[in-house]
Amino acid sequence: GAGVSQSPSNKVTEKGKDVELRCDPISGHTALYWYRQSLGQGLEFLIYFQGNSAPDKSGLPSDRFSAERTGGSVSTLTIQRTQQEDSAVYLCASSLTGRRGDTQYFGPGTRLTVL
Amino acid sequence: AQTVTQSQPEMSVQEAETVTLSCTYDTSENNYYLFWYKQPPSRQMILVIRQEAYKQQNATENRFSVNFQKAAKSFSLKISDSQLGDTAMYFCAFMKHETLASGTYKYIFGTGTRLKVLA
Repeated sequence: GAGVSQSPSNKVTEKGKDVELRCDPISGHTALYWYRQSLGQGLEFLIYFQGNSAPDKSGLPSDRFSAERTGGSVSTLTIQRTQQEDSAVYLCASSLTGRRGDTQYFGPGTRLTVL
Repeated sequence: AQTVTQSQPEMSVQEAETVTLSCTYDTSENNYYLFWYKQPPSRQMILVIRQEAYKQQNATENRFSVNFQKAAKSFSLKISDSQLGDTAMYFCAFMKHETLASGTYKYIFGTGTRLKVLA
């Protein structure tokens, strides 16, 4: 079946603008993750959704970052008042149950550039 | 807190040769999972191999195998008969086994090793 898809592939924005990044997980996967890949910083966890449970937002770097997952499927990561340090690749992943160490399947990411 | 260390930022190997990428981790947990992911220039992270800590047998997937040394907290990846398509960034990842029903099975990644396979 189809893999995880993300849009847009690339996004260039001006400092101070808001951006929305979209993730479509694999159909039937109940768990969804967002990670950020920054140059020189590696990959860091941002937020986790699992079914109808409250999301784990422990990785969000500031209150300018938020995410939602509608209907247990599509997720949107929103960054308000973007800063240059927000420039990174934002990766989304999904897994079948989010339990028992299920393997996560990644999308191709959105490269965000803040000018 | 768990940490993952990949001490080789860049490596190169001749086509058809064997290369080993190192990964060490630090944890006080006894049950956990370890993964190697490959990220080619397309940015798509692809699972290469997975190991469950309670399994003593080293995982293998075709040309890819791991040397899992639990006591030493080491999880190296061996690529045999290297191919040009193996050129990519390789990430080692740790996942704690959550005991809480509400726990988050998130990855903790190393900083990656950039592997170049030379023709």
